[in-house]
Amino acid sequence: EVQLVESGGGLVQPGGSLRLSCAASGFTFSSHWMYWVRQAPGKGLVCVSRIETDGSTTNYADSVMGRFTISRDNVKNTLHLQMNSLRVEDTAVYYCVRGWSGAFNLWGQGTMVTVSS
Amino acid sequence: DIVMTQTQLSSPVSLGQPASISCRSSQSLVHSDGNTYLSWLHQRPGQPPRPLIYKIFNRFSGVPDRFSGSGAGTDFTLKISGVEAEDVGVYYCVQATQFPFTFGQGTKLEIK
Repeated sequence: EVQLVESGGGLVQPGGSLRLSCAASGFTFSSHWMYWVRQAPGKGLVCVSRIETDGSTTNYADSVMGRFTISRDNVKNTLHLQMNSLRVEDTAVYYCVRGWSGAFNLWGQGTMVTVSS
Repeated sequence: DIVMTQTQLSSPVSLGQPASISCRSSQSLVHSDGNTYLSWLHQRPGQPPRPLIYKIFNRFSGVPDRFSGSGAGTDFTLKISGVEAEDVGVYYCVQATQFPFTFGQGTKLEIK
């Protein structure tokens, strides 16, 4: 089955860290750019990071630059997001998303990250 | 960053009636490779978004043909030819021409 399954979310205090993971299956993971998109409760969608097929290029939204790091393991078919110096405003559902032909064409179910004291 | 602005539906839509959602970008979405990377997503409550349309008018596999996309440059439209109950939720346009890729604020479709 073609799917993306996120894990690693949870409750963390401001200033803390979390590492999200996304397990991909059913497709050639190494052929796709991958993305993390987040959605704060009751709000819209924001693309926070992307990574090229071989991991050589990464990009970040200004709001997470210097605090988040995206990475991938094309042997284990996994995507990661290391989140440091977390802020209350980082609270959101984080989706792992596959890119294809300039669109987001496969979404995971999401993992909730709550930053609160 | 490119700002994406969507219109809101003025009222709930009756089953079988058409619906149209507009999306405008703050600058042209024509990429240097000649493609226009504008796509549409549908999100039901409590669910991840589901992709509907890519590169303005191309439907993803499994998307009913009552959904159609059109537009060019900075102005785009998603049309539903006859709304069905399963179409409720929020619709988002998203541009992937320039990073950071940006989404519209969403348009909520309710059934009358």
